[in-house]
Amino acid sequence: QVQVVESGGGVVQPGGSLRVSCAASGFSFNTHGIHWVRQAPGKGLEWVAFTRYDGTDEHYADSVKGRFTISRDKSQDTLCLQMNSLRAEDTAVYYCAKDERGTVAGWGQGTLVTVSS
Amino acid sequence: DVVMTQSPLSLPVTLGQPASISCRSSQSLVHSDGKIHLSWFQQRPGQSPRRLIYKVSNRDSGVPDRFSGSGSGTDFTLKISRVEAEDVGVYYCMQGTHWPWTFGQGTKVEIK
Repeated sequence: QVQVVESGGGVVQPGGSLRVSCAASGFSFNTHGIHWVRQAPGKGLEWVAFTRYDGTDEHYADSVKGRFTISRDKSQDTLCLQMNSLRAEDTAVYYCAKDERGTVAGWGQGTLVTVSS
Repeated sequence: DVVMTQSPLSLPVTLGQPASISCRSSQSLVHSDGKIHLSWFQQRPGQSPRRLIYKVSNRDSGVPDRFSGSGSGTDFTLKISRVEAEDVGVYYCMQGTHWPWTFGQGTKVEIK
């Protein structure tokens, strides 16, 4: 069964940095890409970022471009979303999900990132 | 960016009655691979989203057959043939044809 588990959320001050991670079971990051999607409190879903399984293709939403970066921790087989220059509007539950060529599947439970002073 | 517009945004329904949600895209969702990458997701209260439908009309394993998807080009529809209590939640369409991928605003389904 395809599953992902997000971790690393927390409270960070505006302008600060945080890294959230995504671990997979039932599939490998060596063969499938990953998307990050976020949901601000009480709001809808917003697609954030994508990385291809081999790292040769990446895409980011304009709202995070230049501030967020996807990286891979091969030793732990996890994918991370490095978030810099965080703003209050980045406060959200961050989900990772498996790429399935034009769609996503296997959402995790999400990890909450709160940007507040 | 492709704008996904859902209607209605709120849908009160009677148990056992049908329900329909519309999703319109600001441009064609036909991909260069010839497929239309339009998916539907359900988010029950307090839960993570769950995919119901992919590539317009393909139902995921375990999804009841009362859910169906249809459409082409820029107009798409999710139908629930007979609404059950467990169908309460917010439904989102999403396009995966053009970068950046985009979601509709969500349609809240509740029981009258």
